[in-house]
Amino acid sequence: QKEVEQNSGPLSVPEGAIASLNCTYSDRVSQSFFWYRQYSGKSPELIMSIYSNGDKEDGRFTAQLNKASQYVSLLIRDSQPSDSATYLCAVNYSGAGSYQLTFGKGTKLSVIP
Amino acid sequence: GAVVSQHPSWVICKSGTSVKIECRSLDFQATTMFWYRQFPKQSLMLMATSNEGSKATYEQGVEKDKFLINHASLTLSTLTVTSAHPEDSSFYICSANSLQSSYEQYFGPGTRLTVT
Repeated sequence: QKEVEQNSGPLSVPEGAIASLNCTYSDRVSQSFFWYRQYSGKSPELIMSIYSNGDKEDGRFTAQLNKASQYVSLLIRDSQPSDSATYLCAVNYSGAGSYQLTFGKGTKLSVIP
Repeated sequence: GAVVSQHPSWVICKSGTSVKIECRSLDFQATTMFWYRQFPKQSLMLMATSNEGSKATYEQGVEKDKFLINHASLTLSTLTVTSAHPEDSSFYICSANSLQSSYEQYFGPGTRLTVT
């Protein structure tokens, strides 16, 4: 069974610190990886996508992908209380023609003022 | 860009009635639309995948006769919860892929259903 694993947390970091969120996946052929942010009572919001090994930066967010280790992470620099949310890692496992994503259960991040 | 809307945002209905939820991609054409359900403090659960003009593919354990999905166009999909019961009360969220960025899913704001 294809799985996406995340530490459920909660992960608590002080305001201004770097928050590091991790995700592992089980299928080596996966090509597409995503991070979503979900505030309590709201729907998920796409914040990062990454398709190749290495780092991808967007503002305060950096996604890191290591396909050999089947590992993807999200770093949030200068964490703010507004970053407090559940972060979902998602992986596209399927082959051509199927766009389904497999989601992890999410890591709850709490940024302490 | 990549905005998905849902209507209604919340609905309360009586047990035994049916409720229709609409999902629209506002500024892009969606290859595929997905319907999820999320219970409080739990993770997203995929219910079904639908492509325009074809029958939806339901996940194991999801009753296709209870959760009717119609995908009439590249910008509209509907989910009808038939003969709703209190245990169907949940947060229903749709998402859509754009033709340009096929693997990125954009979520609607969700519909909170309460069955009394």
